[in-house]
Parts: sequence; C-alpha cells; structure tokens
Amino acid sequence: GQSLEQPSEVTAVEGAIVQINCTYQTSGFYGLSWYQQHDGGAPTFLSYNALDGLEETGRFSSFLSRSDSYGYLLLQELQMKDSASYFCAPPLNRDDKIIFGKGTRLHILP
Amino acid sequence: NAGVTQTPKFRILKIGQSMTLQCTQDMNHNYMYWYRQDPGMGLKLIYYSVGAGITDKGEVPNGYNVSRSTTEDFPLRLELAAPSQTSVYFCATIRGGTEAFFGQGTRLTVV
Repeated sequence: GQSLEQPSEVTAVEGAIVQINCTYQTSGFYGLSWYQQHDGGAPTFLSYNALDGLEETGRFSSFLSRSDSYGYLLLQELQMKDSASYFCAPPLNRDDKIIFGKGTRLHILP
Repeated sequence: NAGVTQTPKFRILKIGQSMTLQCTQDMNHNYMYWYRQDPGMGLKLIYYSVGAGITDKGEVPNGYNVSRSTTEDFPLRLELAAPSQTSVYFCATIRGGTEAFFGQGTRLTVV
C-alpha cells in the first residue's frame, strides 16, 4: 500500500519562509502533487513535480527527489492568507486511487 | 464550465434517515472519487469510479453506496445515517492522473 508522512502542524512568521515536507513509503515513487485547503473550503491544486528538482511558481516552490521518495513545498514571503492546510499526494497509481497525506496545518503569526 | 458541483452544501439528518449526496462534473473526466474529511483530519477515500458502470470501494466504504450510470454523475448514498457519518464530504475528479478537482463539499450532521 501507500503511505505519506507530513508534519501535522508548522508555525511561521509573516514574511518568512517555511518548508513543508512529505515522505512517501511505497515502491515506484514517481511524482508528487500539492494541494492547499483553507478552513471551510475545498482542496485546490497547487503544483505537480514529475521530475527531480525545484519548480517555482511565484511565492510557492515544490521540490522532488524520487530516489529519496521525498518532496517539499516551500512558501516564501508568507502572508496571512497562506494560513491553511497543505496536502501532498502521489499521481494516480495502478490501483486507480488518489491517496492524500494527512495534511500539514500552517499557522502564520503576525 | 462549472467543474465539479456538489449538492446540497449543508444537511442535517436524523439517525436512521437516508440521503443521497449529488456530484456532477462537466470536464468529461473518467475518474471520480468520494472522500470524507473529519474536523482537523485528512481526506479518507470512500468510493471511486474509473468510468460509467464501474465503481470500487476505498478505505472507508461501510455505510455508503455509489452508482455511476453516466460520466457526469457520481451520487453517494447514505443508508441508515449514524452520528459517525457526521463529516464533510468531497467529490473529486482527476486530470492527467496528477491534478484533482474538488467540489465545494457537503457538510453533513447526523443527530
């Protein structure tokens, strides 16, 4: 089966940089998606890494190391609106399921 | 282009009642999913479908049923509602195997 590990909570200060890690316990790890969910809202897609390395999209970047089954989401210049939960998820696999990590709750202090 | 639409947005059920949560998508995606999310927790897969006429169980299927007669619609049926089914329910589709699209959710309370 699949298993994704994320820290349950992370706290950072407005304007700072924060990294949210995700490790993936399964064979054939070959990509990673990230989602953001604000309180009371639905998850929304942020990014997908198909290749190793860092991909940047504005203030958000995502990193993947397939050999280490590890990835992270990097948020820069934190804003209060970034307070949310962040989930990692591998791409659709052979059993046709999308399984999400348990999510990391990001708290931002003014 | 509405994406994934869920109805109702809120519902209160009494123990033992039944209801159907509706989910429809206009993106012509084959894969559709139902998740439940308890407060402060992650997404647990209830049922999924890879196309019309095909459904399968996820992690937590007990107490639920689904059908998929068309590509667009994937309703979730709760029979004999129990307080343990109080949760937020999300329907989702996926594009390219990597990008999931979620409905706005149904907040269900069983009393």
